[in-house]
Amino acid sequence: AQSVTQLDSHVSVSEGTPVLLRCNYSSSYSPSLFWYVQHPNKGLQLLLKYTSAATLVKGINGFEAEFKKSETSFHLTKPSAHMSDAAEYFCVVSLNTGGFKTIFGAGTRLFVKA
Amino acid sequence: DVKVTQSSRYLVKRTGEKVFLECVQDMDHENMFWYRQDPGLGLRLIYFSYDVKMKEKGDIPEGYSVSREKKERFSLILESASTNQTSMYLCASSPLLGGATNEKLFFGSGTQLSVL
Repeated sequence: AQSVTQLDSHVSVSEGTPVLLRCNYSSSYSPSLFWYVQHPNKGLQLLLKYTSAATLVKGINGFEAEFKKSETSFHLTKPSAHMSDAAEYFCVVSLNTGGFKTIFGAGTRLFVKA
Repeated sequence: DVKVTQSSRYLVKRTGEKVFLECVQDMDHENMFWYRQDPGLGLRLIYFSYDVKMKEKGDIPEGYSVSREKKERFSLILESASTNQTSMYLCASSPLLGGATNEKLFFGSGTQLSVL
């Protein structure tokens, strides 16, 4: 069965310190992996996407994620948090199995302290 | 930029009412989706559509129906609203590129529905 697990429901960091949001997936197929961000009262916006090219994917706003097949992980990182990064982040697995299957993680809320 | 517009930001309805949630996209995307978002559960797919007049059930279709009469418009219908349908509803669209169905999703801002 396919699944996505975001290991932390909440993460709190201080402004200027690194961000790590963890995601593990389970899939019998070669997945596409995404991270989306949702700011308060807004829809979701794509941060970055992995589709079996380079394992280190760079996204918008200084975020990046590394695909590690051996660990079935796709953790999201940023070297230095900014107040504007406070939001909810979703790890997503998408499978092209002849039909459409996209699975969302439960989300991680990032808090950034001044 | 792609724009996905949901007609209402907040909606309050009574139990048993028929509710229509409207979604319009302006980029000629083939695929459109309805999700509901609940705390701790992420997004769950209710219905999706590959083309006009086509619809497919998602993971939680019970109590919902959809309509896609025009390519740009995808409506979610709650035939008889119940309190457990209180939720944030998100519409999304995506292009169908080369037959792939896992392109990025473009989301609307959501409709927060409260059923009393």
